[in-house]
Amino acid sequence: EAGVVQSPRYKIIEKKQPVAFWCNPISGHNTLYWYLQNLGQGPELLIRYENEEAVDDSQLPKDRFSAERLKGVDSTLKIQPAELGDSAVYLCASSYPGEETQYFGPGTRLLVL
Amino acid sequence: QKEVEQDPGPLSVPEGAIVSLNCTYSNSAFQYFMWYRQYSRKGPELLMYTYSSGNKEDGRFTAQVDKSSKYISLFIRDSQPSDSATYLCAGAPGNTPLVFGKGTRLSVIA
Repeated sequence: EAGVVQSPRYKIIEKKQPVAFWCNPISGHNTLYWYLQNLGQGPELLIRYENEEAVDDSQLPKDRFSAERLKGVDSTLKIQPAELGDSAVYLCASSYPGEETQYFGPGTRLLVL
Repeated sequence: QKEVEQDPGPLSVPEGAIVSLNCTYSNSAFQYFMWYRQYSRKGPELLMYTYSSGNKEDGRFTAQVDKSSKYISLFIRDSQPSDSATYLCAGAPGNTPLVFGKGTRLSVIA
């Protein structure tokens, strides 16, 4: 069984530029999460999807961040415009609905210059 | 105060040692507890999953939850250099996103 796939693995951009990250969850996992992980910190939830519906996006900075999961499978997280403080690892995870165990992708490491 | 507190280390032990990793949490509604292992430049990998209080063993790994003291532990027996990684504890009330600790960096020296 393939795991959670994320791309790109690394991204370097200049501040004020837009950037997008893509995630394909494990097949059959209807719940999808985007997390932010700063250096030396644990992952922090940005948004959670149940199928196409964003059910928890209270931690998503909506002035510059957006996310979509149009067909309830893969998802895209976008930042526009990026700021220096957005440099971090963006992790995607998925799980079966109602299950607490989450499986993570390798993450996208973003560096904003 | 963060909901899940974890000593970031680093913790350095000789090969073969017993390792004890610990977390405390403040949310008494937490029912589910997990330990993830994260190698450098990789995503977190689920190691152990425990529901409510008690012990769970899997090979060299034992997870313990004491809900009365809000204490979560992970023990690693016969530690190996390949166990060198960051260990993240996490908890959740149920059907809600996990709340993670900062992670403890472990080095097992051959």
